[in-house]
Amino acid sequence: DTEVTQTPKHLVMGMTNKKSLKCEQHMGHRAMYWYKQKAKKPPELMFVYSYEKLSINESVPSRFSPECPNSSLLNLHLHALQPEDSALYLCASSSFEGGGELFFGEGSRLTVL
Amino acid sequence: AQRVTQPEKLLSVFKGAPVELKCNYSYSGSPELFWYVQYSRQRLQLLLRHISRESIKGFTADLNKGETSFHLKKPFAQEEDSAMYYCALSGQNTNAGKSTFGDGTTLTVKP
Repeated sequence: DTEVTQTPKHLVMGMTNKKSLKCEQHMGHRAMYWYKQKAKKPPELMFVYSYEKLSINESVPSRFSPECPNSSLLNLHLHALQPEDSALYLCASSSFEGGGELFFGEGSRLTVL
Repeated sequence: AQRVTQPEKLLSVFKGAPVELKCNYSYSGSPELFWYVQYSRQRLQLLLRHISRESIKGFTADLNKGETSFHLKKPFAQEEDSAMYYCALSGQNTNAGKSTFGDGTTLTVKP
């Protein structure tokens, strides 16, 4: 299995809701990433997990809370989001942090009403 | 700070014509450079990386450290090459996990 799988593909939530995005990979990669991508813009790094520990937090607001339950799974918990948080959220993995090629999921398209 | 610049937002060529997508970077050290491609309705995927020195789908890219460039080239563009192309840089040591992407170039190959 050489894919990164993200669920859900689409998510609509209100500003008071709590939801989660999920990401899974079975390539044995030890680094996993969350990116945010606005329309026609490049991906912006949010978080990096290396060996299941948070390695990089790019000053992301606390309404985004990442979690890495095990080496294959990565979650992004969402709470009290703002409409400007609407975007495509991409998960990626690599062999190790800084280990070359990033393998991306298809993304979860989030709309905050 | 690491930075990637793709000066062309849009690039349009005719099928069979040569194409060059420009990428310049700034990084104080030895970065690793990549080209990623996103075809319509598909996930972002690696096209090539400078250390592998491969030719993928007819595309090549040479790292020029003197000019801090990593331009992507193909001698004869095909319609299926139409996509969004991102140049990306990955640093070393404490910045190893921070891949920085350029703003992207949308390539359109006309029949």
